[in-house]
Amino acid sequence: NAGVTQTPKFQVLKTGQSMTLQCAQDMNHNSMYWYRQDPGMGLRLIYYSASEGTTDKGEVPNGYNVSRLNKREFSLRLESAAPSQTSVYFCATSPGPPTETQYFGPGTRLLVL
Amino acid sequence: SQKIEQNSEALNIQEGKTATLTCNYTNYSPAYLQWYRQDPGRGPVFLLLIRENEKEKRKERLKVTFDTTLKQSLFHITASQPADSATYLCALDIYGGSQGNLIFGKGTKLSVKP
Repeated sequence: NAGVTQTPKFQVLKTGQSMTLQCAQDMNHNSMYWYRQDPGMGLRLIYYSASEGTTDKGEVPNGYNVSRLNKREFSLRLESAAPSQTSVYFCATSPGPPTETQYFGPGTRLLVL
Repeated sequence: SQKIEQNSEALNIQEGKTATLTCNYTNYSPAYLQWYRQDPGRGPVFLLLIRENEKEKRKERLKVTFDTTLKQSLFHITASQPADSATYLCALDIYGGSQGNLIFGKGTKLSVKP
């Protein structure tokens, strides 16, 4: 089992470019999450999906969109990248209530110039 | 405003000693609290979960306490080893158990010196 996988591992974008970060899980979990992690700010929730077909905003959703393509896949899209979106992005999954442990992917490092 | 704070950014201890990390929160009534470990360049890894009706939880050399009156959790690593060096994150559920959303502290970087 691969657990939670993220692609790409590292990406450099120019301001205004778009890209999609991919996340896939093989644990049959219901809930999936996207976080960003910045120095001194900790992990902040961007969007989450409590189940297939649903998505909701987290703490810092501006500038991002998400798609829960199926139970396995949850993608994060930057339509017009900005330098403020330079960060490390983590995807996480959890089985859903009552088990709320989250399982994280290895992260995507994004640099926006 | 709602806050979760880990009391120190960095903690340096000698091998064999007990490391104690603190997590404080305000304006939440969490149903549970979790601790994660994060190594450089990697995603966080779950360590322990403690529920609001539990005072203490143990797993091997790890111990977590949860005081809902003080709004505080303590995370202890006994007989610490250099391999325990990492950043430790605490996380609270923000909906009192009805959903799985967590809010994370900024973490404490633990360094265990041989």
